[in-house]
Amino acid sequence: AQTVTQSQPEMSVQEAETVTLSCTYDTSESDYYLFWYKQPPSRQMILVIRQEAYKQQNATENRFSVNFQKAAKSFSLKISDSQLGDAAMYFCAYRSLPGGSQGNLIFGKGTKLSVKP
Amino acid sequence: DSGVTQTPKHLITATGQRVTLRCSPRSGDLSVYWYQQSLDQGLQFLIHYYNGEERAKGNILERFSAQQFPDLHSELNLSSLELGDSALYFCASSVSGTPGNTIYFGEGSWLTVV
Repeated sequence: AQTVTQSQPEMSVQEAETVTLSCTYDTSESDYYLFWYKQPPSRQMILVIRQEAYKQQNATENRFSVNFQKAAKSFSLKISDSQLGDAAMYFCAYRSLPGGSQGNLIFGKGTKLSVKP
Repeated sequence: DSGVTQTPKHLITATGQRVTLRCSPRSGDLSVYWYQQSLDQGLQFLIHYYNGEERAKGNILERFSAQQFPDLHSELNLSSLELGDSALYFCASSVSGTPGNTIYFGEGSWLTVV
């Protein structure tokens, strides 16, 4: 079964600085999707960015980018120019392709990000 | 606003009782997923329905059941409630079950069992 590990329970960053959140996963599948979701204090789960494993290019969404290392099974999230509104829990998630062992999101335990003004 | 609507937002009930959580997916979405978020277990997948049919089951207890109706809304039924069932229950939806489709989450239903 696939597993997702986020080794940093909490992180802190100064406003306007850059922070990187780590995520590793374990799978025997060759094709899959990876996601980062943000959960602010309101508890809403918001998709931040996604990456298809068959794509070499790292995904980017405005200030958010990923460093996807398929061989190392690593999927880190970089937040540039951090803003107070970025403070939240961040969850890394894995999803198999159709026909894979599980077609639904598997989440890590999350990293709580604090942003200092 | 994700477009996924969940009711009720908050619910307090006693042990042994039964509750029903309701979800309306985004317009046009055929897939509905239920997830449970608790402090000790984290975010766990419970069940997935696609166009009225069950597609996948995760860590869903036998005391829990779900269904998706012809109008595509879904209900999660929790019975014989225990203190440990206290959690945030998310409904999510996507256009289809294809992994490439974005899964949109509702705001969740807070269940407190006392």
